[in-house]
Amino acid sequence: DVKVTQSSRYLVKRTGEKVFLECVQDMDHENMFWYRQDPGLGLRLIYFSYDVKMKEKGDIPEGYSVSREKKERFSLILESASTNQTSMYLCASSPLTDTQYFGPGTRLTVL
Amino acid sequence: QQQVKQSPQSLIVQKGGISIINCAYENTAFDYFPWYQQFPGKGPALLIAIRPDVSEKKEGRFTISFNKSAKQFSLHIMDSQPGDSATYFCAASMRSGGYQKVTFGTGTKLQVIP
Repeated sequence: DVKVTQSSRYLVKRTGEKVFLECVQDMDHENMFWYRQDPGLGLRLIYFSYDVKMKEKGDIPEGYSVSREKKERFSLILESASTNQTSMYLCASSPLTDTQYFGPGTRLTVL
Repeated sequence: QQQVKQSPQSLIVQKGGISIINCAYENTAFDYFPWYQQFPGKGPALLIAIRPDVSEKKEGRFTISFNKSAKQFSLHIMDSQPGDSATYFCAASMRSGGYQKVTFGTGTKLQVIP
């Protein structure tokens, strides 16, 4: 079975802190994605990566950056956390086909 | 902006009833339409998917109906069970470079009551 793991299930940070969210997949997938999930807004793509060291902006990249130094690992970085970044963050991976496999999510609260 | 509109936002169905969730899209370049199911505390997982060259796909109690001319598709859950209580997301995707760009609907929270 495909497994996508995220470093934390719950995280509480203060405004202005630098926040790292890590995602690891064990299926050698080329593509990895970061979404945020908010009630009534569904899943919105923040960034994605189709290869090591390659990244592309999604629909809402402002305030975020990413890093993919190894194929299995994709990190989301909040350079200076703000309260409007309080959300559920979901990582996903996919091979060169259609299905995306999601991790369990990280619920981030920024105080 | 590419959009996928999903309705209703929430749905309560009696056990044994039929749950119906509807989605509409605008971009005719979409070529893959998956439905994801998300239980509380879990990430979404692929439930069933369809391509636009067929009008219906059935897997067990779950059926996707697809109307290409109307740019609409829907999920039908027959004989709904309490274990089906979850949030359902429709999505539409198309190939963009080396990956499949997916646009998600806003989600439908389904509650199946005994």
